[in-house]
Amino acid sequence: GAGVSQTPSNKVTEKGKYVELRCDPISGHTALYWYRQSLGQGPEFLIYFQGTGAADDSGLPNDRFFAVRPEGSVSTLKIQRTERGDSAVYLCASSQAGVAGFGGELFFGEGSRLTVL
Amino acid sequence: AQKITQTQPGMFVQEKEAVTLDCTYDTSDQSYGLFWYKQPSSGEMIFLIYQGSYDEQNATEGRYSLNFQKARKSANLVISASQLGDSAMYFCAMREWRYGGATNKLIFGTGTLLAVQP
Repeated sequence: GAGVSQTPSNKVTEKGKYVELRCDPISGHTALYWYRQSLGQGPEFLIYFQGTGAADDSGLPNDRFFAVRPEGSVSTLKIQRTERGDSAVYLCASSQAGVAGFGGELFFGEGSRLTVL
Repeated sequence: AQKITQTQPGMFVQEKEAVTLDCTYDTSDQSYGLFWYKQPSSGEMIFLIYQGSYDEQNATEGRYSLNFQKARKSANLVISASQLGDSAMYFCAMREWRYGGATNKLIFGTGTLLAVQP
């Protein structure tokens, strides 16, 4: 597709359940980022992939959160034993270079809204 | 630690008028980058404009300009000739620098909700 695609757009789950959120970046973009946006806040960095490897996962809040990008394109953010505090919009972004370029070429998807009941 | 502050939770502006959205930042780095993003109700973040800390000229992109005052650590966004489609959340962000180089992390402010009135 032309832009960053995220699925599902909305996910409602119960506390304790496992959730997967998918991101399909712009074709050819080697760098992929996950951000989390809580209500009334700006996005917060979670993890960054360069190719297949996680170059920086320092933003993952705890070990319940994990992300993969096995073939260097699509990425999946996995959340185990979900808690109500995990409710947020999870944004994915991609860029051609490893570092968001000086022109700001970081392209975001529309996000996956996760609600944990 | 780096921080972005946006003190205006919401702003109103009449169509065709100019509006300034405030952003101040805190960093001890000499090199940094500042961004503005627009987030409409659809949720995606749309890049608007970038200012590098060493850029001598204020950045401009069409109707958007960035009023960069380095000594005051402010990077206000000016939107000229507001349009109804400008109604959205606006986020100021800074790119972190670590170990002598830019990182991939953007630190965002809490945003300003702009409403353009006809």
